[in-house]
Amino acid sequence: SAVISQKPSRDICQRGTSLTIQCQVDSQVTMMFWYRQQPGQSLTLIATANQGSEATYESGFVIDKFPISRPNLTFSTLTVSNMSPEDSSIYLCSVRTGAGEQYFGPGTRLTVT
Amino acid sequence: QKEVEQNSGPLSVPEGAIASLNCTYSDRGSQSFFWYRQYSGKSPELIMSIYSNGDKEDGRFTAQLNKASQYVSLLIRDSQPSDSATYLCAEYNDMRFGAGTRLTVKP
Repeated sequence: SAVISQKPSRDICQRGTSLTIQCQVDSQVTMMFWYRQQPGQSLTLIATANQGSEATYESGFVIDKFPISRPNLTFSTLTVSNMSPEDSSIYLCSVRTGAGEQYFGPGTRLTVT
Repeated sequence: QKEVEQNSGPLSVPEGAIASLNCTYSDRGSQSFFWYRQYSGKSPELIMSIYSNGDKEDGRFTAQLNKASQYVSLLIRDSQPSDSATYLCAEYNDMRFGAGTRLTVKP
């Protein structure tokens, strides 16, 4: 398994500002993912972040809005830029272990006012 | 478009019964799936993965994958009130999630 932590756990931000969410995992993993989950909805993949390469974004998500860093095998950040109330959501970091299992962090609850 | 579909429910079963949760998928190339449980206000917890056709058992949980019919299911035996949650299936390669099925186990 993998133990994943995220910071911050929640935040309230003003429209037009940016927030960087950190994800730390207790073991080295190649594949890390960022998801968004709207209230009452399922999970939507934002991007895949593999160490040593540029993040791969899903349709509807762009790097200018959601820049991602992946400096090493245990850490990643997702920035939500120029926020609007529509960005209010839970943002989840996920990792895939060498055994092929995939785990989720506790999430960051973002509210944009 | 590749899809993973779940009946959003809600599904209600009495305590001690078998709960059956199902997903269908459109991509015949999909080989493997995950099942997650998500309690309200929490992040998804991995229940089990299934990588090959047939059944895989882990305690009270059994995952079934039928590639010919393109469905994957999760059976929960001896359901407990603590199993009340939303259950999500996800395809391994693209990590596409179904909408989730809300399960309630009534005492």
